[in-house]
Amino acid sequence: DGGITQSPKYLFRKEGQNVTLSCEQNLNHDAMYWYRQDPGQGLRLIYYSQIVNDFQKGDIAEGYSVSREKKESFPLTVTSAQKNPTAFYLCASSISPEETQYFGPGTRLLVL
Amino acid sequence: AQSVTQLDSQVPVFEEAPVELRCNYSSSVSVYLFWYVQYPNQGLQLLLKYLSGSTLVESINGFEAEFNKSQTSFHLRKPSVHISDTAEYFCALHAGGTSYGKLTFGQGTILTVHP
Repeated sequence: DGGITQSPKYLFRKEGQNVTLSCEQNLNHDAMYWYRQDPGQGLRLIYYSQIVNDFQKGDIAEGYSVSREKKESFPLTVTSAQKNPTAFYLCASSISPEETQYFGPGTRLLVL
Repeated sequence: AQSVTQLDSQVPVFEEAPVELRCNYSSSVSVYLFWYVQYPNQGLQLLLKYLSGSTLVESINGFEAEFNKSQTSFHLRKPSVHISDTAEYFCALHAGGTSYGKLTFGQGTILTVHP
């Protein structure tokens, strides 16, 4: 089955620690996205990538980093510079930036 | 800049009653509009979308939405809801002509269907 997978489902971060969230898709989509979801605020775009080896900052990129070395993979690193990382993180992909986005199941990040 | 406003944060309704979830948007350019549904601790699932053509769009599970350009609205409706429709619903906008696929989301509406 084609789809988007995110791992882990739950992730715990200690103070000063960097953590990496995985996003993989086998849909052959060129574009991939990372969103952050907080209660009552909808989703906000962190980073996006239109093609391999290229990515751009979204609305709330501070404290986050990404890479896009393979078409199928778009990992997100939450760095120690992100002071309020507790949230639900959603990865999405689309055939191209103009097409419909499809979402993964999400990763919930909690701070210890 | 674009924005999406969902006018109700929570909508309680009894089973088999009709429901309307309201969505208004603001954009200076043409738009594509989407409704997504999210069940607890899950990702978003596309419910329906308006890209062009007929202003009334339907989903496979009985929801429909009408694009109203003059009122800048894209309200979601269902004539008879089921317990299984309980979820959070998000309206989203993609502004035409942008160089990347940024979606602007509303704050979400929690629909709770009571027996």
